[in-house]
Amino acid sequence: IVLPQSPVTLSLSPGERATLSCRASQSVGFTSLAWYQQKSGQAPRLLIYGASTRATGVPDRFSASGSGTDFTLSISRLEPEDFAVYYCQQYRSSPKMYTFGQGTKLEI
Amino acid sequence: EAQLVESGGGWVQPGGSLRLSCAASGFPFNNYAMTWVRQAAGKGLEWVSEISGSSGTLYYADSVDGRFTISRDNSKNMLYLQMNGLRVDDTAVYYCAKVPNYYESNRLTFDIWGQGTMVTVSS
Repeated sequence: IVLPQSPVTLSLSPGERATLSCRASQSVGFTSLAWYQQKSGQAPRLLIYGASTRATGVPDRFSASGSGTDFTLSISRLEPEDFAVYYCQQYRSSPKMYTFGQGTKLEI
Repeated sequence: EAQLVESGGGWVQPGGSLRLSCAASGFPFNNYAMTWVRQAAGKGLEWVSEISGSSGTLYYADSVDGRFTISRDNSKNMLYLQMNGLRVDDTAVYYCAKVPNYYESNRLTFDIWGQGTMVTVSS
């Protein structure tokens, strides 16, 4: 399964709304889709699991949705700390494999 | 607080070997599968390998299968990645991460990550 993300780079200002897309080449079970945030020089951080559930401690300005092959991560009002790279990730059970998208860089 | 700390990275020539370690704390280590994920400079994330809590099942990405071996020592709360036959394209930051259990709502993800250790393969 390939997970192209779009756009590759998204340039926005604080306070604006961001919409990031992840499109799978094959249908993905909703439980198998996650989103991660990676700030420069840091490890990734789990943001969203099960396609739409925020991980512990994730602010409610982050939301996500989708099913099948189309998934979306939205950030309602960008804060300075939200500018980072965002990756979607899917899981396949047979053979076992985790695949990441190539990432969307959210820049000021 | 759950924490993972990697070590063992460094520079090695092509064809060489390296062993990465990951020290876990703050959670019942033996209850969880663990995984390695790598990231080449300026590139995206690539899953490398996973090991079950009991070491009974091991999984590898095709790109490392036959060259890398994942293992763990639950008595020491340690995860390892033995890397043999290293190639230039194995150069990356290697992260260890915790895998939630199948009955947890955030299953099929990596919920705790270490800070990473850099591996450079170059002549």
